[in-house]
Amino acid sequence: QSALTQPASVSGSPGQSITISCTGTSSDVGSYNLVSWYQQHPGKAPKLMIYEVSKRPSGVSNRFSGSKSGNTASLTISGLQAEDEADYYCCSYAGSSPWVFGGGTKLTVL
Amino acid sequence: EVQLVESGGGLVQPGGSLRLSCAASGFTFSSYEMNWVRQAPGKGLEWVSYISSSGSTIYYADSVKGRFTISRDNAKNSLYLQMNSLRAEDTAVYYCARGVRYLDYWGQGTLVTVSS
Repeated sequence: QSALTQPASVSGSPGQSITISCTGTSSDVGSYNLVSWYQQHPGKAPKLMIYEVSKRPSGVSNRFSGSKSGNTASLTISGLQAEDEADYYCCSYAGSSPWVFGGGTKLTVL
Repeated sequence: EVQLVESGGGLVQPGGSLRLSCAASGFTFSSYEMNWVRQAPGKGLEWVSYISSSGSTIYYADSVKGRFTISRDNAKNSLYLQMNSLRAEDTAVYYCARGVRYLDYWGQGTLVTVSS
């Protein structure tokens, strides 16, 4: 199973919105509404930010939203804040080898 | 409060073995599927293995199949990963993570270094 494709880096200024894409195939992202997104600060464990494409866990800011179209999922962060600077990973259910992650995107808040 | 605490990492020579443990608390461990996910230094996340709540269903990534064995002891609220025939490319922080449709809780990880 190949990794999902994410941009290596994105950046934005405080208050702006950014979108991170996550491209898979018809065997993973395109087949299941089981895309999740994780935020990871340096030296810390990943934290679930979005699950099942667009749902937010309790406690996650509504500035974070998710969507999917075909084989591509997206994470949008609106009203960027300094603490949003982190690495972001998408993940999709992929059948018999259940989970496949994206390569990760480094978000820089300018 | 849900807590997952990994242990057992360390330095091991190529070809060696190591057993990782993950102690769970704050939830009914026997009701949840569990996973191991690893992250090589400076690299992204890689799913390693999954085990169902009863232990009856198990999956492995191709990169570890035949070398790693996942198991759990629901009476001890513990998850394990037996790693044999270790290679340099297995060097990573290993996380245990809860869930099947998504991974909602993660431990802090334990570092495994495979080097001579």
